[in-house]
Amino acid sequence: DTAVSQTPKYLVTQMGNDKSIKCEQNLGHDTMYWYKQDSKKFLKIMFSYNNKELIINETVPNRFSPKSPDKAHLNLHINSLELGDSAVYFCASSRTQSGQGANVLTFGAGSRLTVL
Amino acid sequence: AQTVTQSQPEMSVQEAETVTLSCTYDTSENNYYLFWYKQPPSRQMILVIRQEAYKQQNATENRFSVNFQKAAKSFSLKISDSQLGDTAMYFCAFMKHRSGTYKYIFGTGTRLKVLA
Repeated sequence: DTAVSQTPKYLVTQMGNDKSIKCEQNLGHDTMYWYKQDSKKFLKIMFSYNNKELIINETVPNRFSPKSPDKAHLNLHINSLELGDSAVYFCASSRTQSGQGANVLTFGAGSRLTVL
Repeated sequence: AQTVTQSQPEMSVQEAETVTLSCTYDTSENNYYLFWYKQPPSRQMILVIRQEAYKQQNATENRFSVNFQKAAKSFSLKISDSQLGDTAMYFCAFMKHRSGTYKYIFGTGTRLKVLA
C-alpha cells in the first residue's frame, strides 16, 4: 500500500543509453513532481504536473521528457544519458486544495541512477 | 526569486539533548508555506513539520517544534529529547502558490548526527 512508488530503485547504465523511471501515487493527489538530488544532496525541482498538465519545467535538458498518462502516474524518460545525469531522482505528489494535509509533498523512495 | 539558506552543513547532539537547526529564507510574498523534511540513511524523504505563514502560532509535532519569525524570515527547527533515530539530513523548504503553480524550494540541508 505504498503511497508513492517509483521503479526501479537502482539503475546502472552506460553513457548514451535511454532509460525510464516510473512513478505512481495512490493518494488521489492532483499534482506530481520530479526532483533531482545530486551527490551533495541538493534537491532541485525538474518538472511538475497538475491534473496531467505540465505546469513547471525548470531548466532541464530536453533529453529529459516527462509523461503523465493520468493523474496517478508521472514517468521520466531520459535520452542519451550522460555522466552528469548520475543522481537520485525523486518523484513526489501533493494535494493542492486547502485543508488538512494540503500542500504537503509526499515522496517516493527515490531512484538512484548511475551512468558509467 | 525565493531562496532558502541552511547555514549549518553538519551538527551533532547527544542523545536526550535538545538541538536547533537554522533556516532562513528570502521572499517578497506574504502568504506561503514552510516545511522541514527529514532524510535518514534509507533515503526516504519524510515530512517532519509544516507551518503556514499566515499562522502566528508555531507548529509542533511531538518532540519537534519550530520557531517561526516571519519578519526576520527565519524558520528554525527544535528537536527535543534527541533520539538515535533522529540521525538524518534535514531539509528546510519554502512553498508558494501562484497562478496554479506550486513550487517548492529546498535548502541545502543540515546533516544531524545523534550521539549515544
